[in-house]
Amino acid sequence: EVQLLESGGGLLQSGGSLRLSCAASGFTFSRHGMSWIRQVPGKGLERVSGISGSGDSTYHADSVKGRFTISRDNSKNTLYLQMNTLRVEDTAVYYCARGFWRELLFDYWGHGTLVTVSS
Amino acid sequence: QAVVTQEPSLTVSPGGTVTLTCGSSTGAVTSGHYPYWFQQKPGQAPRALIYDTGTKHSWTPARFSGFLLGGKAALTLSGAQPEDEAEYYCLLCYSDALVVIGGGTKLTVL
Repeated sequence: EVQLLESGGGLLQSGGSLRLSCAASGFTFSRHGMSWIRQVPGKGLERVSGISGSGDSTYHADSVKGRFTISRDNSKNTLYLQMNTLRVEDTAVYYCARGFWRELLFDYWGHGTLVTVSS
Repeated sequence: QAVVTQEPSLTVSPGGTVTLTCGSSTGAVTSGHYPYWFQQKPGQAPRALIYDTGTKHSWTPARFSGFLLGGKAALTLSGAQPEDEAEYYCLLCYSDALVVIGGGTKLTVL
């Protein structure tokens, strides 16, 4: 059974940093790209970052470029999102989902972790 | 940056049929956008329903179907059930790893 379990969310002040993790199980992690998708409470979905299975290709949305970094450790079956210089508008539930580019996208999702940035 | 448009809200009667659509600001939606559809219920993560325009996942109920219609991607629900009340999101793929998700359609079964 495919499982994705996010952790690392929390409450912090604007300008701070946070690292999210997503532990994957139930599939061969290194064979799949992965993504982070966020949802502002009550709003829509935005793919903020993605990474290929090998980790050699990444994508970051313009809204987070230069502040967020996606990475993965295939030996630990874990996906990360390093978030720096956080802004109030980064407040959202962050989901990890399987898939990145030129492959099946987002067939499995984690339950999400809430990041709240205060001013 | 492309914008993906969906109806903000739709209502369907129990047992009825409804079609949700998904348009692109860049022009007609084609199979090359590999349209996806997701369902999200309150307090839950999104769930994948359809990919590549009309391919269902193993868990997708047969009453959902996806296709292209008049330059848009479309999701039809035939025989709506109370449990189908949810937000539905469309996703389109563009170039350079850009995927854009629409604003969602709130479907009410009433």
